Order: sequence, then C-alpha cells, then structure tokens
Amino acid sequence: GAGVSQSPSNKVTEKGKDVELRCDPISGHTALYWYRQRLGQGLEFLIYFQGNSAPDKSGLPSDRFSAERTGESVSTLTIQRTQQEDSAVYLCASSQGVVVDTQYFGPGTRLTVL
Amino acid sequence: KQEVTQIPAALSVPEGENLVLNCSFTDSAIYNLQWFRQDPGKGLTSLLLIQSSQREQTSGRLNASLDKSSGRSTLYIAASQPGDSATYLCAVRSGTYKYIFGTGTRLKVLA
Repeated sequence: GAGVSQSPSNKVTEKGKDVELRCDPISGHTALYWYRQRLGQGLEFLIYFQGNSAPDKSGLPSDRFSAERTGESVSTLTIQRTQQEDSAVYLCASSQGVVVDTQYFGPGTRLTVL
Repeated sequence: KQEVTQIPAALSVPEGENLVLNCSFTDSAIYNLQWFRQDPGKGLTSLLLIQSSQREQTSGRLNASLDKSSGRSTLYIAASQPGDSATYLCAVRSGTYKYIFGTGTRLKVLA
C-alpha cells in the first residue's frame, strides 16, 4: 500500500522567501508528526496533530514556522521569511494513533536556503 | 528533560560479525522506545518498538532490549550483512506522544 509521501523532495530558496512543504500521511492514520533534521544531527520534533484535537506546536522554533492539517489527511508546513539556519531535511511521519504509535516516515524534503 | 545518547557515533565491522548498538536515556519514566534505520537520502524505517513493560523484542536477525531502571537499550544485529549499512536511531517516548531521538550510530558493514 501507499506510504507517507512528501513534496517537494528538494527545495532551494533564497533567504527571506516563504516555502511550503507538503505531507500526505497513510490513509486512516490519525496522528501526524513533523520533524527537522539538520546535517549530522538527530531528529528535532516540530509539531504533532492528532485527529481533530488542537495540535501540539511546542517544537516550532519560531513564529516563522506554522503548520496546518486538513482533517486527518494532508498537512502543510510553512516557513516564512526563510533563514539560512532553516536549511535541513524536514521529515513527516504518521501513525495509527496515540496507543498504536509505530511511526511511518516519508522520504523527507531537503530544504536549502541560500 | 529527556536526553537520548547513542554510542558509538560510527562503527565499521566486517561482514558476518555480530554487533551491539547502544542507546541511553536520562529519564526512566518512558512509555516506549523505538529503533529506526535511516538510509542516505531516505526517511526512517521502524525496526522494533519496545513498550515500557517489555524487556525485549525480536525481528529476524535483530533483537532489542530495554532496561528502564538503568536507562539503557541495546540493538543486537546478528550475522551482519552489507545491506545492514545505515544509520540506526533510537527514539524514546516519555508519557506524551512526543518522541526524543538520539543522534544515531552510522553503521558500515564491509563485504
């Protein structure tokens, strides 16, 4: 079956521009996570969506970062006024829920801010 | 604040060798622990998930153990193969749905 997909796979942008990253979770998965992985570092939690509950935004590094999710489907991570330190791979994962929470990851979006 | 550490950061072994990867965490009040593998340019693949009430999980040549009291988990890989070459990450869930990841161990299995 289809796994988690992310688009674009690569994004190069200029400092100060806005970017939008997309995640399509596995159908039926109520939980969705966004992570950031800087070069040579571990995954950094950004935001979590669970069903129709209010998202946990506690990992978002600044107010330039925002994310939305439409119901239990696609999610979009938006970074406004990008900075060079935003360069990283942005990974999305989904799971069936909070109890059965084996996470399935997408291939990531590699963002480069020049 | 939960912190997760993985040692060693990198490891090279000849094909066929058995090996152990280590993961330690500072707060023993965890819900579960997952081991993932990450191939270059790709996302993560979940290998094993151990609930806090469990001591170990096995899948094929992989065995993961959990000792909550000492804040440690190990991933044992038997009869390593070149296809096992990847970065291995452990992640700890501490009560909430949030996972804290280690920085990983880069494994290279030499043919």
